Amino acid sequence: DVKVTQSSRYLVKRTGEKVFLECVQDMDHENMFWYRQDPGLGLRLIYFSYDVKMKEKGDIPEGYSVSREKKERFSLILESASTNQTSMYLCASRPYEPGQGGNEQFFGPGTRLTVL
Amino acid sequence: AQSVTQLGSHVSVSEGALVLLRCNYSSSVPPYLFWYVQYPNQGLQLLLKYTTGATLVKGINGFEAEFKKSETSFHLTKPSAHMSDAAEYFCAVSSRYQTGANNLFFGTGTRLTVIP
Repeated sequence: DVKVTQSSRYLVKRTGEKVFLECVQDMDHENMFWYRQDPGLGLRLIYFSYDVKMKEKGDIPEGYSVSREKKERFSLILESASTNQTSMYLCASRPYEPGQGGNEQFFGPGTRLTVL
Repeated sequence: AQSVTQLGSHVSVSEGALVLLRCNYSSSVPPYLFWYVQYPNQGLQLLLKYTTGATLVKGINGFEAEFKKSETSFHLTKPSAHMSDAAEYFCAVSSRYQTGANNLFFGTGTRLTVIP
């Protein structure tokens, strides 16, 4: 079974803190993604990566950065947390196969972050 | 540009009744289509997907969906609702012209309530 794990299920931080959210997948997938999920807005893509050290901005990258030093690990960084970053954060991974854009994404359990 | 519309943010059905969750997409070329389910405090799990071939797709837990190109729709159905079906459901699309990590574009979700 594909497994995507996230370092914390629940996290409480204070405004201005630097926050690291870690994601690890065990299936040697090339592609990894970070989303945030908010009621009524669905899932919005923050950043994604299609290879080690490669990253691309998604729809809402402001206030976030990412790091992918190893293939299995994709980290989301909140440089200076703010209250409007209180949300559920979901990590996903997906294999890359040329011509197989129909491959599904596999999701981790999510991290519910509260910024006070 | 890809977009997905899910009609109805909340749907309630009685146990044993038909479940119908609506999804319409906007794309110049029919995309790959997915339905995901999210149970409380969990990540997303793939229910089913359409990539090519037969337009009626069967998924897990008795769900199925039909791709209708003329209606640009991919509605999710289940003949008889069970209490365990209570969850949030997301429709998603990805492009047939794979670039980079070939992102998924998600709808805003439909929360299904099953009434005993």
